Amino acid sequence: DADVTQTPRNRITKTGKRIMLECSQTKGHDRMYWYRQDPGLGLRLIYYSFDVKDINKGEISDGYSVSRQAQAKFSLSLESAIPNQTALYFCATSDRGDSYEQYFGPGTRLTVT
Amino acid sequence: DQQVKQNSPSLSVQEGRISILNCDYTNSMFDYFLWYKKYPAEGPTFLISISSIKDKNEDGRFTVFLNKSAKHLSLHIVPSQPGDSAVYFCAASARGSSNTGKLIFGQGTTLQVKP
Repeated sequence: DADVTQTPRNRITKTGKRIMLECSQTKGHDRMYWYRQDPGLGLRLIYYSFDVKDINKGEISDGYSVSRQAQAKFSLSLESAIPNQTALYFCATSDRGDSYEQYFGPGTRLTVT
Repeated sequence: DQQVKQNSPSLSVQEGRISILNCDYTNSMFDYFLWYKKYPAEGPTFLISISSIKDKNEDGRFTVFLNKSAKHLSLHIVPSQPGDSAVYFCAASARGSSNTGKLIFGQGTTLQVKP
């Protein structure tokens, strides 16, 4: 089984709808991250969490919110989706310590029409 | 402001030859650098990293070089194989006292290795 899973893998939604993307991990890591990937822009950090009680904004948090329901679960919400939130979304995890290696889920392709 | 830049969107090389992917950064506080590889329909996977106290790190066919004075790093793949065809992301982090684990990614370079 994959260490980092994301649901759904693909989603098409309409402008104004609320949508939630979910991420679960079995790696036992404390740190979790949400990124979006857009062509020509690479991966940009939306939110990150160091533990259940710690949530931090990344570089592009406007229009998004997150919830860390448990150490293993970190969900991303779009309260009112808009077309420019069409992108590939990735969840990632990392351990504490000196290694900055992050482990990514397979991604969710979101299309907002 | 793009703190980590990969100025070549794509690169095509012949199988068996060397692939060189480049990355530039602007933040002098960055002290740890990573390369990730991404296949279509999959998440990025860690490839190799380097700390700012080193100027070279090698792992099999993959070598990363760091030139701190030029704020430049490169990934060399020798010999290149068709299975290396993927998007490669450079990433950087400023560890410091906060040790946040945050990574700043470049735009990515699509490598195509032709048989």
